[in-house]
Amino acid sequence: DVKVTQSSRYLVKRTGEKVFLECVQDMDHENMFWYRQDPGLGLRLIYFSYDVKMKEKGDIPEGYSVSREKKERFSLILESASTNQTSMYLCASITGGHTYNEQFFGPGTRLTVL
Amino acid sequence: EDKVVQSPLSLVVHEGDTVTLNCSYEVTNFRSLLWYKQEKKAPTFLFMLTSSGIEKKSGRLSSILDKKELFSILNITATQTGDSAIYLCAGGGADGLTFGKGTHLIIQP
Repeated sequence: DVKVTQSSRYLVKRTGEKVFLECVQDMDHENMFWYRQDPGLGLRLIYFSYDVKMKEKGDIPEGYSVSREKKERFSLILESASTNQTSMYLCASITGGHTYNEQFFGPGTRLTVL
Repeated sequence: EDKVVQSPLSLVVHEGDTVTLNCSYEVTNFRSLLWYKQEKKAPTFLFMLTSSGIEKKSGRLSSILDKKELFSILNITATQTGDSAIYLCAGGGADGLTFGKGTHLIIQP
C-alpha cells in the first residue's frame, strides 16, 4: 500500500514558537508538496519539491520554509508561528513519471496556534 | 511580472464532446506548469508538466506542454457531467506559482 504519513494529526503551539511538520512517503516519489486548507479558501500550495535539496515556492510561501534532505522526507517549518497559521496542513507526493501523475495525500495535521 | 492566461474563460458543451482548454504563460525562470480541477472550494491536482512535448494522461484527461511557444493544453475526451468544474493552470517559476483565472467548463446532459 502506498503511504504518505505526517508526524502529528493534531498540534497546539503558542505564538512565536518554531514548528516542524514532517512528511514521509514510502513510494520513492520525486515530487512532494505542502498545502494548507482553510474553510472558504480551499487548498493552497505553500511549497513543493522536485527532488532532494530542491524547493519551489507555491502561492503562499510567506512565513514558511521547507527542507528536503532525503528523498522520502519533506519538512515544513514555521520559524515563528502566528495565529493566522492555524490551519489544516496536508502533505502530498506524486509520481514523477513522464506519462502519468497520481497524487497521494497524507492524513493532515491540524495545527492550532494560540 | 509573471502572467498566466487561460482561454476560454467559460465553455458549455454537451456530454460526450471533447474539449481543449488553453493556458499560455510568461513566467520568469519557468520550472513547471500545473493543472488543477476546482469543484466547490478545494482544487484537485491533475498534472504537473516540466518537459516539452511529452503528453501526460489520466483516464480521459491529457495534457501537454510546449516550452518554445509557452503554452499548455488540457484535453478532456468523452466529457461527462462530472467534469463540470473550473480548471486552473499555474506556472511555477522564480517567484513561486502564478495562477490563471481558470476556465469554467459546463457539461450539459
